[in-house]
Amino acid sequence: NAGVTQTPKFQVLKTGQSMTLQCAQDMNHEYMSWYRQDPGMGLRLIHYSVGAGITDQGEVPNGYNVSRSTTEDFPLRLLSAAPSQTSVYFCASSRMTGGLGDYGYTFGSGTRLTVV
Amino acid sequence: AQSVSQHNHHVILSEAASLELGCNYSYGGTVNLFWYVQYPGQHLQLLLKYFSGDPLVKGIKGFEAEFIKSKFSFNLRKPSVQWSDTAEYFCAVLTGTASKLTFGTGTRLQVTL
Repeated sequence: NAGVTQTPKFQVLKTGQSMTLQCAQDMNHEYMSWYRQDPGMGLRLIHYSVGAGITDQGEVPNGYNVSRSTTEDFPLRLLSAAPSQTSVYFCASSRMTGGLGDYGYTFGSGTRLTVV
Repeated sequence: AQSVSQHNHHVILSEAASLELGCNYSYGGTVNLFWYVQYPGQHLQLLLKYFSGDPLVKGIKGFEAEFIKSKFSFNLRKPSVQWSDTAEYFCAVLTGTASKLTFGTGTRLQVTL
């Protein structure tokens, strides 16, 4: 099924551990992004990519790394997990705008991460 | 940079009541506007979107929104809510300068029987 696939769905980490959240899309979308969702704060952009080999920081990038070696995959790495990174993480993809038009974002089902 | 404000953080309505959720954005150029819904334990789903043309946009499940450019607003409405509309609603804006989608902080809607 076409869409955005995120794994794992749930994860518990100890402070200081590292891990990678996986995101893959099969729609040949150029643009991919990671958001974190926290109560009362909506969704905040962590990192985004406009194509393979190109990434940039969003609103809250500290403590996270990304890479984009292929169009399909956009993993998010937590280098040394902290309790403040407890959140729900969403990956999203879309065609590049280039100018505004009728298109939309596709969201993954999310990863619920708890850091203890 | 663009920003989105949702002034209602938590709204409680009885079933059959009318709904209006406020959304204001700050950006002086052309925008695309979205409303997303997130049901408990689920991911975001698109309710409706505005790109151009008729400023009154109709979405799924009886929702609609009106884009008022002079007020930088994109309020969500529904004439008669149902218990199943209990969810969190997010307004979002996309500008032509990048593909980044900026979200508001969300409004939690609780519909009571």
